[in-house]
Amino acid sequence: GAGVSQSPSNKVTEKGKDVELRCDPISGHTALYWYRQRLGQGLEFLIYFQGNSAPDKSGLPSDRFSAERTGESVSTLTIQRTQQEDSAVYLCASSYLLGRPNTEAFFGQGTRLTVV
Amino acid sequence: GQQLNQSPQSMFIQEGEDVSMNCTSSSIFNTWLWYKQDPGEGPVLLIALYKAGELTSNGRLTAQFGITRKDSFLNISASIPSDVGIYFCAGPRTGNQFYFGTGTSLTVIP
Repeated sequence: GAGVSQSPSNKVTEKGKDVELRCDPISGHTALYWYRQRLGQGLEFLIYFQGNSAPDKSGLPSDRFSAERTGESVSTLTIQRTQQEDSAVYLCASSYLLGRPNTEAFFGQGTRLTVV
Repeated sequence: GQQLNQSPQSMFIQEGEDVSMNCTSSSIFNTWLWYKQDPGEGPVLLIALYKAGELTSNGRLTAQFGITRKDSFLNISASIPSDVGIYFCAGPRTGNQFYFGTGTSLTVIP
C-alpha cells in the first residue's frame, strides 16, 4: 500500500486476555519500529527490526510483550495477559535501512488498545 | 538511553501569532525530522533536514538544522487553529533506531 497500515484501529480487551496488533509497512522499507504512546505522553520505543539483523528489543517493558516480523513485510506485536497499564496507542513506523542517506520514518495511524 | 529534549513542553498562543520551538540532544545527528501529531492520529512528517546549518521551509513552517548538529528549531508563522497538535523532533542514529523528542503541545486560541 501507499502508507503504513495498522490493524485493528481500535481494540478493547478484557484484562488477562492476549492481543495481537498488526503492522504492514511501506513496501521496500526494511526497517520497522513499534512505539507505545500513553494518553498525553510522548513516544516510547518498544522494538526495532532492521533487515535480517536481530531485532532491538531493548524497549519491551516486560516479557508479556513480544514482536515478530516475517522478512521485510508484516509485523505483529503480541501482548499476553494484558493489564490495564497496557492501555495506550501502539504506533508502527517504517523506513529504509538506517545508514542510507536521507532516511525518514513514516507512521501508521496506530492501534488504540483499551484494557478493561 | 538517548533522549531528545524539546522545549517548551506546551504552548498556548493566539491565532495569528508566530511559534518557535526547539530540540536539543547530547549526541550528534545527521538528520533531523519534525513531525506533527493530530489528536487520534499517527505522527506525520512535516520537514526533514539533512545538512548542518540547513534552513528549510514548508509553507508557514521553517526548520533549521543547528550547526553543532545537536539541535534543531521549528518555527510556525501566522498560526491558525489547525496547527493544534503535538510536535515531535526526531533523529536516526545509524545502525540503531529513530529517537524522538518529548514533544511540544501547541494550542491555538481563535
